[in-house]
Amino acid sequence: GQQLNQSPQSMFIQEGEDVSMNCTSSSIFNTWLWYKQDPGEGPVLLIALYKAGELTSNGRLTAQFGITRKDSFLNISASIPSDVGIYFCAGDLTGSARQLTFGSGTQLTVLP
Amino acid sequence: DSGVTQTPKHLITATGQRVTLRCSPRSGDLSVYWYQQSLDQGLQFLIQYYNGEERAKGNILERFSAQQFPDLHSELNLSSLELGDSALYFCASSAGTGHRTFGSGTRLTVV
Repeated sequence: GQQLNQSPQSMFIQEGEDVSMNCTSSSIFNTWLWYKQDPGEGPVLLIALYKAGELTSNGRLTAQFGITRKDSFLNISASIPSDVGIYFCAGDLTGSARQLTFGSGTQLTVLP
Repeated sequence: DSGVTQTPKHLITATGQRVTLRCSPRSGDLSVYWYQQSLDQGLQFLIQYYNGEERAKGNILERFSAQQFPDLHSELNLSSLELGDSALYFCASSAGTGHRTFGSGTRLTVV
């Protein structure tokens, strides 16, 4: 099946710093999604991307759909303590988010 | 509260046993998805139902089965449990093929 390689696996950053994480795949995806999972909760959708080259922001979060359609990145600017959690990328081949393949996640820790 | 309700929140059971996990989707959502999340892993898609019918199957073991009832709630049945089945099991729902909303999960521990 399709595989998504998400990196880094974990990050420790100082409050106020910017963060970047990315996902790559050998397969072409029609949709890229980024989720955040807080401890004890299910993933929550942060950003959805539908077109190659698309750059979308949601507050301090910015994500891009790679031109090759095989990668995506997520940036978080000016990190705050509540940014702590696991961030997952997910790709969909069908374009309708019907079949999602998830990355293994990036564990983000924000130090005061 | 995401609107997707999963019960129980925690479950501890012995190897060889059978358990049933329950999910109530968000009001109006016809699709229900089940995912397994093992330690330090992403979410593995198990199965999807749409309006009572199986729509897609992922890496679901033969020991596992699911169904969606007329009131749209869904149950995931796990039988002949093994230690390796210990994981978080998430249910998600969506309106058709739209973005899915996840529940808070059921943490299953097999001892």
